[in-house]
Amino acid sequence: DVKVTQSSRYLVKRTGEKVFLECVQDMDHENMFWYRQDPGLGLRLIYFSYDVKMKEKGDIPEGYSVSREKKERFSLILESASTNQTSMYLCASISGQAYEAQHFGDGTRLSIL
Amino acid sequence: DAKTTQPPSMDCAEGRAANLPCNHSTISGNEYVYWYRQIHSQGPQYIIHGLKNNETNEMASLIITEDRKSSTLILPHATLRDTAVYYCIGGRGAQKLVFGQGTRLTINP
Repeated sequence: DVKVTQSSRYLVKRTGEKVFLECVQDMDHENMFWYRQDPGLGLRLIYFSYDVKMKEKGDIPEGYSVSREKKERFSLILESASTNQTSMYLCASISGQAYEAQHFGDGTRLSIL
Repeated sequence: DAKTTQPPSMDCAEGRAANLPCNHSTISGNEYVYWYRQIHSQGPQYIIHGLKNNETNEMASLIITEDRKSSTLILPHATLRDTAVYYCIGGRGAQKLVFGQGTRLTINP
């Protein structure tokens, strides 16, 4: 089974802090994603990566950056956390095959105070 | 991504089959139908997906109509742990996923 592991289930940080969210997958997947999920807004794509050191902006990249130094690890960085970044953050991964499905981690519920 | 339409909520008795419908009339020929579920405060769990043919795995069965405009997810013997929000999504591979409002399925004892 595919395993996508997010470093924290719950995280509380303060406004202005630099926040790191880590995601690791064990299936040698080429593609990895960071989404955020908010009530009434559904799932929104922040960034994705289709290979090591490659990244593409999603629909809401402002205030975020990402890092993919190794194939199995995709990090999301909040450069200077703000209260409107309080959300559920979800990491997903998928192989390069069109017939496969994305698999998600358990999510990180991040609160910015 | 194909837009999908699902009923907002459904109830099912424990031990019975739960049949969750989804309309996806705008799905394109190369897009798959994916089903996920999400239990409160957890990440979405992949259930099953298919292109044209019906599919079955250890969790569920997926029935896709011949014209591919709709599908039904079947949980054959629902348990209380199947209570969740179920999402039907049209897409393909590494495209971003767009979750709608889903169906809130409640399994009653």
